[in-house]
Amino acid sequence: GIQVEQSPPDLILQEGANSTLRCNFSDSVNNLQWFHQNPWGQLINLFYIPSGTKQNGRLSATTVATERYSLLYISSSQTTDSGVYFCAVAGTYKYIFGTGTRLKVLA
Amino acid sequence: EPEVTQTPSHQVTQMGQEVILRCVPISNHLYFYWYRQILGQKVEFLVSFYNNEISEKSEIFDDQFSVERPDGSNFTLKIRSTKLEDSAMYFCASSPGTGGVSYQPQHFGDGTRLSIL
Repeated sequence: GIQVEQSPPDLILQEGANSTLRCNFSDSVNNLQWFHQNPWGQLINLFYIPSGTKQNGRLSATTVATERYSLLYISSSQTTDSGVYFCAVAGTYKYIFGTGTRLKVLA
Repeated sequence: EPEVTQTPSHQVTQMGQEVILRCVPISNHLYFYWYRQILGQKVEFLVSFYNNEISEKSEIFDDQFSVERPDGSNFTLKIRSTKLEDSAMYFCASSPGTGGVSYQPQHFGDGTRLSIL
């Protein structure tokens, strides 16, 4: 089955810093989403991005499907960005989630 | 924006008891899913459901689990005889299904935190 790896596993930033999170996947996929899991456990959809680049405020994402990776950029980080970031790629009838990047932003 | 609704938000159950987790998917969606997340771990697929049948299930989804769409709006996950290791966050999701299921985004509910005592 498809393997999904995320890096780094943990990241600590000072407020205002920028960061890049990476998601590698082992096979071609038709669909990829980035989620932020907040401290209450909710999965917040950030991007649906099977290919190309999208931006939403301080966040942007790029997926290079032919090279089997996706990047999530966080600029000018805020304490509310803390939590775990997951990428998920589509199998036929399911999502396969990565192991996540745990981000802590310090004030 | 339409959302997936899960109830209850937190369920506490004695080991060995049956539990039913409930979900209301987005109304015009055709595919429904359950996922599980043990505390501190990644989200794992349990089962997908389409046209009143299971499309795919994982190794986790053994005989103690079942899913049902009892009416036109609800989608349920039943765990027959709960074990301590069933303690986890359970997420329901739905997707439109049109244009190829694997091309469509999945919309997730806020989860039900299940605690087995």
